[in-house]
Amino acid sequence: GENVEQHPSTLSVQEGDSAVIKCTYSDSASNYFPWYKQELGKGPQLIIDIRSNVGEKKDQRIAVTLNKTAKHFSLHITETQPEDSAVYFCAASPNDMRFGAGTRLTVKP
Amino acid sequence: DAGVIQSPRHEVTEMGQEVTLRCKPISGHNSLFWYRQTMMRGLELLIYFNNNVPIDDSGMPEDRFSAKMPNASFSTLKIQPSEPRDSAVYFCASSLAGGAVGYTFGSGTRLTVV
Repeated sequence: GENVEQHPSTLSVQEGDSAVIKCTYSDSASNYFPWYKQELGKGPQLIIDIRSNVGEKKDQRIAVTLNKTAKHFSLHITETQPEDSAVYFCAASPNDMRFGAGTRLTVKP
Repeated sequence: DAGVIQSPRHEVTEMGQEVTLRCKPISGHNSLFWYRQTMMRGLELLIYFNNNVPIDDSGMPEDRFSAKMPNASFSTLKIQPSEPRDSAVYFCASSLAGGAVGYTFGSGTRLTVV
């Protein structure tokens, strides 16, 4: 089955800096790669996704990149704000979604 | 839309008792997923349904766990008998098309077995 690895497990940045979270996947059949943000006491919430026929996607301060050959995908957050502080999960899906272990992002004001 | 609704939000039970978690997916979504979240193991897929039919239950830890989806608007996850190691947050999620699109998660049920 699909195995998703995510790094780093924790990330601390100053407000205004950029944050990058990286994931790798194992199943070459995976074709859908969403990212979720989980705030304390809440369920994960979809923030951006990318499909295997696209190399990059942007939505305001958030961007995702995908390297199918290397089976890598990354989340980039620019101009970070304190409200970006949360746990972020990557996922990969051939049929059902498998999640990475999560990255706890802390943005210091 | 009210989103995915889970109940109860919190459940504390004694070891050996039966626990039933409930989920109402988003109307029109044909796929439903049960996940368990712990610090040690992260988000684990337990089971998923397509059009009310269980497709993959390989993530169900053992026979003490069972899940049903009697109709398109309701699903249950039952643990009988419960054990302290079952303590976790259980999430239900639904989607329009299996794993091909993003999931909408509920707020979760925090289960504590003492």
